[in-house]
Amino acid sequence: SAVISQKPSRDICQRGTSLTIQCQVDSQVTMMFWYRQQPGQSLTLIATANQGSEATYESGFVIDKFPISRPNLTFSTLTVSNMSPEDSSIYLCSVESFPEGEQYFGPGTRLTVT
Amino acid sequence: GENVEQHPSTLSVQEGDSAVIKCTYSDSASNYFPWYKQELGKRPQLIIDIRSNVGEKKDQRIAVTLNKTAKHFSLHITETQPEDSAVYFCAASGTSSKTGNQFYFGTGTSLTVIP
Repeated sequence: SAVISQKPSRDICQRGTSLTIQCQVDSQVTMMFWYRQQPGQSLTLIATANQGSEATYESGFVIDKFPISRPNLTFSTLTVSNMSPEDSSIYLCSVESFPEGEQYFGPGTRLTVT
Repeated sequence: GENVEQHPSTLSVQEGDSAVIKCTYSDSASNYFPWYKQELGKRPQLIIDIRSNVGEKKDQRIAVTLNKTAKHFSLHITETQPEDSAVYFCAASGTSSKTGNQFYFGTGTSLTVIP
């Protein structure tokens, strides 16, 4: 499976600021996904990032709050904008293998907003 | 959209016993059902999956069964060991040309194996 890295691994941020999380894969992938996992909870899909097109957002998530970039087949960023304490969570990227359609996760970014 | 329910939310077993986790899904178009194991502070890891054209799949001590008619699938762990202690998530997905394999996750089962 692909090797996936995320930066930063954790951060503590002030409310009202923004944080950009990077996801890097060691091989080219078509589909990348961004998830949020709040403490003790399941994984919630934020958006799907397909290279060359705009991200597709799930209900409850909007581009102004979570802008996503996908400049090439090995990299994506998720920005958490105008943060509030409710944004404190773990943010994970995942990639889809082709043609199996399996998903593999990055190590996650633990975000705390104070 | 798809709705995945997972039971139980917590499960404690004695080492060497079996553990069974069950999930149900709502969308009959779902055709892929992976299971993930997440240890504390770690990323979810794919441990086994099953596709809708198969009723059962086994990998050493882990097996998954699928009942398409009833829309439920289960994870079976035999001869449990303390290192099996983790949170397990099931998921269901269909395929979209726009969004790829969009996964819908269950709420998770915290498994504790007591030595």
